[in-house]
Amino acid sequence: DQQVKQNSPSLSVQEGRISILNCDYTNSMFDYFLWYKKYPAEGPTFLISISSIKDKNEDGRFTVFLNKSAKHLSLHIVPSQPGDSAVYFCAADQTGANSKLTFGKGITLSVRP
Amino acid sequence: NAGVTQTPKFQVLKTGQSMTLQCAQDMNHNSMYWYRQDPGMGLRLIYYSASEGTTDKGEVPNGYNVSRLNKREFSLRLESAAPSQTSVYFCASSDGDWLQETQYFGPGTRLLVL
Repeated sequence: DQQVKQNSPSLSVQEGRISILNCDYTNSMFDYFLWYKKYPAEGPTFLISISSIKDKNEDGRFTVFLNKSAKHLSLHIVPSQPGDSAVYFCAADQTGANSKLTFGKGITLSVRP
Repeated sequence: NAGVTQTPKFQVLKTGQSMTLQCAQDMNHNSMYWYRQDPGMGLRLIYYSASEGTTDKGEVPNGYNVSRLNKREFSLRLESAAPSQTSVYFCASSDGDWLQETQYFGPGTRLLVL
């Protein structure tokens, strides 16, 4: 049973436009959410996170929105740049539960010049 | 400060051979993790170590063993490799205080089992 779902496997966006990457979760005990970015032949790198006590967290061009009632979060990248082309993983955590992250399957973002 | 390092970067094994994947971190983190990444499957947890001296199974532990050698090092062993273990393996570490932590990943080991 997949607890973190990234239903769209890929997304293609024009440079300068907004990229919106979606993630849904089923476990209501999750209270901390992270986005990781992964380039080919490299390890995932932490991008941005959000606690369940917030509904928005912003870091430069990256903003994560959390809708707890819908069990949905999204990552917005504005403006998108070709260097943003990568696989993006959504991950969820339950505070106190040994910090074991549950990952989605990832979304491949392609930003066209 | 190298972060999380993994060796080797790439390995080819024949079915039935054994090998150990090495991982080390220099961030003084308490917790360490081993994941595998397969196409369309995301990152799946194999084993983790919440602190030095402890290890626990993750989602997909079968066919693997681990050793938390000390606080810095966490190794993953394949005793008898199978083609199903062809994958990219990532090691990660975190503070281990169980309070909304961030895990930091190594560059990965690509393993091909023939």
